[in-house]
Amino acid sequence: DGGITQSPKYLFRKEGQNVTLSCEQNLNHDAMYWYRQDPGQGLRLIYYSQIVNDFQKGDIAEGYSVSREKKESFPLTVTSAQKNPTAFYLCASSIQGSYGYTFGSGTRLTVV
Amino acid sequence: SQQGEEDPQALSIQEGENATMNCSYKTSINNLQWYRQNSGRGLVHLILIRSNEREKHSGRLRVTLDTSKKSSSLLITASRAADTASYFCATDNQGGKLIFGQGTELSVKP
Repeated sequence: DGGITQSPKYLFRKEGQNVTLSCEQNLNHDAMYWYRQDPGQGLRLIYYSQIVNDFQKGDIAEGYSVSREKKESFPLTVTSAQKNPTAFYLCASSIQGSYGYTFGSGTRLTVV
Repeated sequence: SQQGEEDPQALSIQEGENATMNCSYKTSINNLQWYRQNSGRGLVHLILIRSNEREKHSGRLRVTLDTSKKSSSLLITASRAADTASYFCATDNQGGKLIFGQGTELSVKP
């Protein structure tokens, strides 16, 4: 079955540590996105990529980094520069054009 | 930047009743989409309405779009307890990236 997989489901980060969230899709979608969701809030765009080897900053890119070396994969690194990283992170993909997104099941990141 | 604002923030109804959620936005759009999120899960795409469409149906869902008022509504008819979730509108302005609203939390009581 085609879909988008995020791992891990839960992740704990110590102060000053970088962590990487995985996002893989087998839908042959060109575009991929990372959103952050805080409790009771909507989604805010961190980074997005519309083609391999290219990505753009979203509204809240500071303290995050991404890579898009393969069409299927769009990992997100939360760096130590992100001062308030505790949140629910959602990855999504879509085909180009005006179509709906397919979302992964999310990764809940907690700073300990 | 948050494009959409949803109203109400929370809605509680009885099973069998209709649920209406509203979304307003600020800039011109290519399309507007509605998503559903169960607690602690990813979002699920429900319906997309393009800027040149005024109404769209999908099963028990009815979406309207008024571009002159920059607003949309989502109607769920004959609601069920399983419809309990958060519902988000999202606008596609340009470049294919969606901007989401804050969401409406719907509770359907059996």
